[in-house]
Amino acid sequence: NAGVTQTPKFQVLKTGQSMTLQCAQDMNHNSMYWYRQDPGMGLRLIYYSASEGTTDKGEVPNGYNVSRLNKREFSLRLESAAPSQTSVYFCASSTGTANTGELFFGEGSRLTVL
Amino acid sequence: SQKIEQNSEALNIQEGKTATLTCNYTNYSPAYLQWYRQDPGRGPVFLLLIRENEKEKRKERLKVTFDTTLKQSLFHITASQPADSATYLCALDGDNFNKFYFGSGTKLNVKP
Repeated sequence: NAGVTQTPKFQVLKTGQSMTLQCAQDMNHNSMYWYRQDPGMGLRLIYYSASEGTTDKGEVPNGYNVSRLNKREFSLRLESAAPSQTSVYFCASSTGTANTGELFFGEGSRLTVL
Repeated sequence: SQKIEQNSEALNIQEGKTATLTCNYTNYSPAYLQWYRQDPGRGPVFLLLIRENEKEKRKERLKVTFDTTLKQSLFHITASQPADSATYLCALDGDNFNKFYFGSGTKLNVKP
């Protein structure tokens, strides 16, 4: 059982380049999330998807777009990367019900923008 | 503004003692609060969830309290071990039960 799988694990970009971070979960979860983690800042919510076909902004959505391709997959796109987007990105999923809120995280994607 | 505050200074304790970590929040009305453990280079791992109508929750050596009047949660690890050394994050639901916000975490160091 793979859980939450993120690709790529590492990426180096130049300013202005674009890229897509991929995330897939095999737990039949309804909700999926993208967070970024910077030193001393904790995890900040970029976008989330409560269910297939819906997406909503989190705390820091500027410079990012997302696609909930199907129930399993939730991708994060940087259209024109900036050095401020250097971070570790985590994808997570949960059942999305009111009674259980446990988030399952991937191992992270480490992005450096030069 | 909304804030979730955890002690940014590392907590250093001796093996066998009880570690107590604090999570304070402002301008949230969470239905529940969660605690996660994060090891270096890894994603966070869920530990415990406590609902707003619960005062205390236990799981093995872990105990969480939730005081909605003080807007505070305490996370205790009893009989701590060096293997408990990690960063511990609290999280709570914000606008709805699908949106989770995290504190910046507290690093715990348990010395043998």
